[in-house]
Amino acid sequence: SYEMTQPPSVSVSPGQTATITCSGDKLGDKFVCWYQQKPGQSPVMVIYQDDKRPSGIPERFSGSNSGNTATLTISGTQAMDEADYYCQAWDNSLVVFGGGTKLTVL
Amino acid sequence: QVQLVQSGAEVKKPGSSVKVSCKASGDTFSSNALNWVRQAPGQGLEWMGGIIPTSGTTNYAQKFRGRVSITTDEPTNTAYMELSSLRSEDTAVYYCARSGGQGWYGLSHGMDVWGQGTTVTVS
Repeated sequence: SYEMTQPPSVSVSPGQTATITCSGDKLGDKFVCWYQQKPGQSPVMVIYQDDKRPSGIPERFSGSNSGNTATLTISGTQAMDEADYYCQAWDNSLVVFGGGTKLTVL
Repeated sequence: QVQLVQSGAEVKKPGSSVKVSCKASGDTFSSNALNWVRQAPGQGLEWMGGIIPTSGTTNYAQKFRGRVSITTDEPTNTAYMELSSLRSEDTAVYYCARSGGQGWYGLSHGMDVWGQGTTVTVS
């Protein structure tokens, strides 16, 4: 079965750029989505089809996907962005999630 | 704007089954896949499977095949996820989530609407 790997944690200072990666074999050939989840809440999609932002998601969230790595970038990170982030790929009608990355803003 | 409202928390004995519901309000079911995702305490998200409501076709993660059944009742705009042969490792929050596009390809649009989650405790 397909697997994707994320770093367990990433730290960033307020106002700086946070980068969260998601790695998988030929991941660039698949569509990747990203979700934000805060404690006690349901996930919220922040990026779909590699680099598209749903309506209502701030412009500081962006995504890319090439080769074996997809990347979620948060520019000008704010305290409210502290959360768990999950990548998700769609492969042959099946859905796979990465293990998640805890983003700390300090 | 569709909202997904799930049934309440459940406590089950090992070996029993649980059936969780997910009712769509504000819109009717369409050909967008309705998925079930679970999250064990302190763990990540895990896709269990999904259904296309208009056709009834299902896809299940290999891990859950034979133990999970996802169905829909179109007149009431309600989806169900039944998990059998429960064990302690099935203790988790179970979410329903709608894909952002039509058909299975619509999963490439991600899951844009999520239910509030249902806690299932197996003990």
